[in-house]
Amino acid sequence: QSVVTQPPSASGTPGQRLTITCSGGRLNVGVNFVHWYQQLPGTAPKLLMYMTDHRPSGVPDRFSGSKSGTSASLAISGLRSEDEGDYYCATWDDGLSRPVFGGGTKVTVL
Amino acid sequence: EVQLVESGGGQVKPGGSLRLSCVVSDFTFSNYSMAWVRQAPGKGLEWVSSISDTGSFRFYGSSMKGRFSTSRDNARNSMFLQMNGLRAEDAAVYYCTRWSYDIRGYPYFDNWGQGTLVTVSS
Repeated sequence: QSVVTQPPSASGTPGQRLTITCSGGRLNVGVNFVHWYQQLPGTAPKLLMYMTDHRPSGVPDRFSGSKSGTSASLAISGLRSEDEGDYYCATWDDGLSRPVFGGGTKVTVL
Repeated sequence: EVQLVESGGGQVKPGGSLRLSCVVSDFTFSNYSMAWVRQAPGKGLEWVSSISDTGSFRFYGSSMKGRFSTSRDNARNSMFLQMNGLRAEDAAVYYCTRWSYDIRGYPYFDNWGQGTLVTVSS
């Protein structure tokens, strides 16, 4: 069981705004940056957001990140069919002294 | 464009060994720490191991300690993962990743290879 948790699934219709949460504790999400990875079907994960709210070059501004207390969020606005896939949050855990991943959220576009 | 290409995966029997390789291009390999992350079939991501830019420091997940060994050859832009005593639960796609550091000095995985599949079965 991961120390950082995500809902297993989330869904929305095209054009909708969808938010995925990442819940942790005072030794991980509460004190460290959160990063997000997107894994489209059959492909390797790709960095989608780093340091909570920074987008790597090439990531559309439809994706945004935020954090409050021990929870972080990834928002996808203007949801598109090509956004379907798995999304993982990750952070550093000060107690475990290692990086930790959330269990992943499968995004479905209805 | 940064590229990371893994190889060496395959099928091995429980208790067997396998050596994975990762060759990188289009960045100065010797300036970066690197890591392995794995994904069991239908499961999430799990950090396996990391190695510092010079290879002086190596870190492992708790279930890998004593069985896995990470190394690198900066002259050949390559990183390796030697896996011994393989178990059924080690079956996964193994990804080579590059570590970058955030402003607090903690790492994140900013580039990923396409992965190599390791199957452990008798």
